[in-house]
Amino acid sequence: NAGVTQTPKFQVLKTGQSMTLQCAQDMNHNSMYWYRQDPGMGLRLIYYSASEGTTDKGEVPNGYNVSRLNKREFSLRLESAAPSQTSVYFCASSEDGGGAWGGYTFGSGTRLTVV
Amino acid sequence: DAKTTQPNSMESNEEEPVHLPCNHSTISGTDYIHWYRQLPSQGPEYVIHGLTSNVNNRMASLAIAEDRKSSTLILHRATLRDAAVYYCIRGGKSTFGDGTTLTVKP
Repeated sequence: NAGVTQTPKFQVLKTGQSMTLQCAQDMNHNSMYWYRQDPGMGLRLIYYSASEGTTDKGEVPNGYNVSRLNKREFSLRLESAAPSQTSVYFCASSEDGGGAWGGYTFGSGTRLTVV
Repeated sequence: DAKTTQPNSMESNEEEPVHLPCNHSTISGTDYIHWYRQLPSQGPEYVIHGLTSNVNNRMASLAIAEDRKSSTLILHRATLRDAAVYYCIRGGKSTFGDGTTLTVKP
């Protein structure tokens, strides 16, 4: 099925370890996004990429880096994981940034625990 | 401020209509209004979107105020499977608030 694929689905890290969350979409969307969702809370935007070759900070970018590898792929890197980064991470894509064409398609999430 | 304002929670009885409100008083004339819902342990999914006119699809209806400062998502007959967190967002802003948690009672 067409959509947004995130890997891995689950991950446990030790404090200070690094890792990269992968995201790929096969809908030929221009824009891609990374969100985090803490328990019982809404989604907060970490970084986004309006188009291939561009990235911008969202609401909570500290402690993260991103790479828009090509039009399909947008990765999120934690260089030195901290317990405060324990969360569920969602990747999303959009044709036109939430305009006339129906908005965002989300992946199923990566559940990250930092101990 | 790009965020919208929604009640934290609402309750409904099964098979009754539900009206979920959203305030977006600072919306610009070209921003679409989008609604998403998030079922437990899943990513958000698209429900409906609109600009000025009321919109209907198989999942819900969207009523947009004439001044566009508010909108209402209407579930015509709530089912237990509609229990979820519902988010109203301004298209193009990419920021979600905490949404409205809808509880449906049998």
